[in-house]
Amino acid sequence: DGGITQSPKYLFRKEGQNVTLSCEQNLNHDAMYWYRQDPGQGLRLIYYSQIVNDFQKGDIAEGYSVSREKKESFPLTVTSAQKNPTAFYLCASSIGREGYQPQHFGDGTRLSIL
Amino acid sequence: AQTVTQSQPEMSVQEAETVTLSCTYDTSESDYYLFWYKQPPSRQMILVIRQEAYKQQNATENRFSVNFQKAAKSFSLKISDSQLGDAAMYFCAYRSQVQGAQKLVFGQGTRLTINP
Repeated sequence: DGGITQSPKYLFRKEGQNVTLSCEQNLNHDAMYWYRQDPGQGLRLIYYSQIVNDFQKGDIAEGYSVSREKKESFPLTVTSAQKNPTAFYLCASSIGREGYQPQHFGDGTRLSIL
Repeated sequence: AQTVTQSQPEMSVQEAETVTLSCTYDTSESDYYLFWYKQPPSRQMILVIRQEAYKQQNATENRFSVNFQKAAKSFSLKISDSQLGDAAMYFCAYRSQVQGAQKLVFGQGTRLTINP
């Protein structure tokens, strides 16, 4: 079945450490997104990518980095510069950049500080 | 900047009854898209229903329907014949039609409880 796979499900970060969250999709979607969800809040956009080798900052990109070397993959690195990384991270994809195309989401990764 | 507001942090309904979740938004654009997503305890975001702003007809998907009031910037979700599996967080979201605009703007969510 086609879908979006995020790994790991749970991740722990030590002080000063960079960690990478994986997001893979086999839906042949062009656009991919990373969102952060904090308790009691909606999702906020971190980064998005419309095509391979191109990505744009969202509302809360500071302390995060991404790459899009393959259409299927859009990993998110949480750097040591992100001082409050504890949150639930959701990856999403959509067929294209048209607004009516819904975004499909993965199951998420919960990141915590050790 | 667009904002989305869900004024009901929590709602509850008896099984088989009907419930309406509220959502209002603020935008200066005339064309845009609105979505309702469901997030069950598994935390996966599931699309429930979507509405194009240029369409006057309210969207429906089986037991789910919307009341879209463009002038009032209101986009409520009605769930008919509520089922236990409908228990979840529900998020209203806005997306611009501006070319290249990728952001979904989410509300804070409404936690829906279904009482058996």
